[in-house]
Amino acid sequence: NAGVMQNPRHLVRRRGQEARLRCSPMKGHSHVYWYRQLPEEGLKFMVYLQKENIIDESGMPKERFSAEFPKEGPSILRIQQVVRGDSAAYFCASSPGQGPSYEQYFGPGTRLTVT
Amino acid sequence: KNQVEQSPQSLIILEGKNCTLQCNYTVSPFSNLRWYKQDTGRGPVSLTIMTFSENTKSNGRYTATLDADTKQSSLHITASQLSDSASYICVVSGRAGGTSYGKLTFGQGTILTVHP
Repeated sequence: NAGVMQNPRHLVRRRGQEARLRCSPMKGHSHVYWYRQLPEEGLKFMVYLQKENIIDESGMPKERFSAEFPKEGPSILRIQQVVRGDSAAYFCASSPGQGPSYEQYFGPGTRLTVT
Repeated sequence: KNQVEQSPQSLIILEGKNCTLQCNYTVSPFSNLRWYKQDTGRGPVSLTIMTFSENTKSNGRYTATLDADTKQSSLHITASQLSDSASYICVVSGRAGGTSYGKLTFGQGTILTVHP
């Protein structure tokens, strides 16, 4: 059973461009979480999705950021008109269920650099 | 405000020695506490997970303790190895208001360096 896959692993974008980060959860997992880790800081929750639904997006900036988890295919975190402050590591995690006792399995992360 | 504080920020020890990392939290309501290991450039990997009723849990050379009354946890590493060099993150899961899922609050992590 392959783990959580994220691609690309590294992404460089110029200010004003769009960044698309992909996350394929573990097989059988229908719950996906996105986290951001700024340099020298801990991970911060961004959004929690189930298939075709956004359950909690309270950690997502109101503008420029969006996330989706379609019925088919990976979850996508989209950042429009990137700025230097968006440079960070973005981690995706998946779990097989919703309750707090379920383990979340993390992907290797996508490191976004905005130049 | 839900917070998780870890100490020390960083720690250097010699191979073979033991060490203890600390975690204090103010997350409420509380569901469980987890310790993760994050190698440089990788995603976090779970070491232990403890619920309210558990005081201690071991995973090989890692032993975690939890005092739910004082809201403190520790991670003890015995007979350290060079491969233990990593960031160790304390994570508390609390039910997000009005929902049934466990929202994770992360500490800043303790960076452990093991020297030969």
